[in-house]
Amino acid sequence: DVKVTQSSRYLVKRTGEKVFLECVQDMDHENMFWYRQDPGLGLRLIYFSYDVKMKEKGDIPEGYSVSREKKERFSLILESASTNQTSMYLCASSSTRGLDQPQHFGDGTRLSIL
Amino acid sequence: DQQVKQNSPSLSVQEGRISILNCDYTNSMFDYFLWYKKYPAEGPTFLISISSIKDKNEDGRFTVFLNKSAKHLSLHIVPSQPGDSAVYFCAASRGRGTYKYIFGTGTRLKVLA
Repeated sequence: DVKVTQSSRYLVKRTGEKVFLECVQDMDHENMFWYRQDPGLGLRLIYFSYDVKMKEKGDIPEGYSVSREKKERFSLILESASTNQTSMYLCASSSTRGLDQPQHFGDGTRLSIL
Repeated sequence: DQQVKQNSPSLSVQEGRISILNCDYTNSMFDYFLWYKKYPAEGPTFLISISSIKDKNEDGRFTVFLNKSAKHLSLHIVPSQPGDSAVYFCAASRGRGTYKYIFGTGTRLKVLA
């Protein structure tokens, strides 16, 4: 079974702090993704990466950056946290081997910015 | 602009009956569609998918139907069970191998015992 592990289930930070969310997958997947989930808005893609050191902006990249130094690890960085970044953050990974490989998700990090 | 829409935020169904969850999309370039199920405090789990070359895909109690002319897909769960109570998201992808999904806003299904 694919395992996508997010380092924290719950996190509370203060406005202006630099925040790191970590994600690790154990299936040697090439693709990794960061989403945020908000009520009434579904899942929105922040950034994704299709290879080590490669990244592409998703639909809502403003205020975020990412880092992928190793294939199994994808980090989301909030450069200067703001209250409107309070949300559920979900990491996912998928394989490029074969067409139509679904994304597999971690259990999420609920982030509160005070 | 919401390219993938789930217009029913919630749905209640009696145990043993059929649950039908609907999803509409606007972009005719989408050619791969998926359904995910999400329990509280857990990440979404993949349920079933369909590519645009098919109009139906079945996996046990779950069937997805695709109507390309209407830009509409639906998920049928028969028979519904209390453990199916969850939020269901549909997602769409443009181009085989692009790997990016556009998600709908979700429908909360409650199956009543």
